Amino acid sequence: QVQLQESGPGLVKPSQTLSLTCTVSGGSISSGSYYWSWIRQPAGKGLEWIGRIYTSGSTNYNPSLKSRVTISVDTSKNQFSLKLSSVTAADTAVYYCARELFTTTGDAFDIWGQGTMVTVSS
Amino acid sequence: QSVLTQPPSVSEAPRQRVTISCSGSSSNIGNNAVNWYQQLPGKAPKLLIYYDDLLPSGVSDRFSGSKSGTSASLAISGLQSEDEADYYCAAWDDRLNGWVFGGGTKLTVL
Repeated sequence: QVQLQESGPGLVKPSQTLSLTCTVSGGSISSGSYYWSWIRQPAGKGLEWIGRIYTSGSTNYNPSLKSRVTISVDTSKNQFSLKLSSVTAADTAVYYCARELFTTTGDAFDIWGQGTMVTVSS
Repeated sequence: QSVLTQPPSVSEAPRQRVTISCSGSSSNIGNNAVNWYQQLPGKAPKLLIYYDDLLPSGVSDRFSGSKSGTSASLAISGLQSEDEADYYCAAWDDRLNGWVFGGGTKLTVL
């Protein structure tokens, strides 16, 4: 059973870079037809897709965040990572990593991490 | 302001049926499949419906999805207290080249 686990600092200062890692266990990050995504959710608000990466290194980013986001993958460690630069209080949220299964019938986020809370504050 | 529009809340009595709507445009729902996610309080979202109307293994058949044009709906029959959660629709947007979500609908079982 594949599981995802986010890790990283829970507190980031304004203007600094938020860095999170998602570790994939129970299966190889390189196997199958999957993208690997980051999604966030401010307290009491809805879900916002940040971006995704394929194990080839190909990425897609949310246009509203694209200038500040970098997603990378380390297949040797079975991990993928998120970097969000120049953070402000508006970036305070629970950050989820998720597996996106793509098939001929459609794509969907079929497995999610438990989420990690990141607060931007001095 | 979310790209996909959902009602903020719905409520219904136990054992009844409720529907949640999701409205989009030709660049998302009109041209791509819709997925629905259930988020129980304090938990991560869980895939509930994919490709408009398919149920993942293990999801109760009390849940069903449908789509017509640029709108989609989630129906829950035989409501139970455990169904109280936030429900989100999602679709790929060809114009934005990314995933978009609805704002979420809070279901209260009276």
